[in-house]
Amino acid sequence: GDSVTQMEGPVTLSEEAFLTINCTYTATGYPSLFWYVQYPGEGLQLLLKATKADDKGSNKGFEATYRKETTSFHLEKGSVQVSDSAVYFCALFPLEGNNRLAFGKGNQVVVIP
Amino acid sequence: ETGVTQSPTHLIKTRGQQVTLRCSSQSGHNTVSWYQQALGQGPQFIFQYYREEENGRGNFPPRFSGLQFPNYSSELNVNALELDDSALYLCASSPYGRDQESQYFGPGTRLLVL
Repeated sequence: GDSVTQMEGPVTLSEEAFLTINCTYTATGYPSLFWYVQYPGEGLQLLLKATKADDKGSNKGFEATYRKETTSFHLEKGSVQVSDSAVYFCALFPLEGNNRLAFGKGNQVVVIP
Repeated sequence: ETGVTQSPTHLIKTRGQQVTLRCSSQSGHNTVSWYQQALGQGPQFIFQYYREEENGRGNFPPRFSGLQFPNYSSELNVNALELDDSALYLCASSPYGRDQESQYFGPGTRLLVL
């Protein structure tokens, strides 16, 4: 079935550092891909999305490119701030079928001043 | 534009009890999906409602049931609560059709089963 895999473990980095969170997927066909962010004690917020191969989603300085050849959708930000500390989830929505988002396990990002 | 709202924010129940969680969808959205997020995990799809009918279900037992009302709001009911039902329950709304993949989440209801 459709699934998303995120890199293991929390990510801790200093303010203004470069952030990368890896995400790979398994799906039939070409799903739409998403990054959601969850701040402490809150629900999920849609951060960015891409709906077809080579599309780049971007928002608030974050970017991710839909790579069909590597089935990946890695999240990047050039210079993180303390306010970026949150849990980040990669997700896919299949092209056909079950109308549901499939999420990865999430990555805790902690930005230290 | 009003976002997705959920109630209550927190709830404590004991094993065997029943619980009802509520969700109001974002204005203009007619589809509601429910997800369960266990601690430290990603959300897992429970089911989706469209036009007051269940429109897809994840791997959850029948004691998880739902309703959707004519105003598109929704309820999630869980009977015979188990300890493993302790989780954050998220509701998401979306427009049906081409953009249904863009799901907008509420703040969630945190359920603790003792």
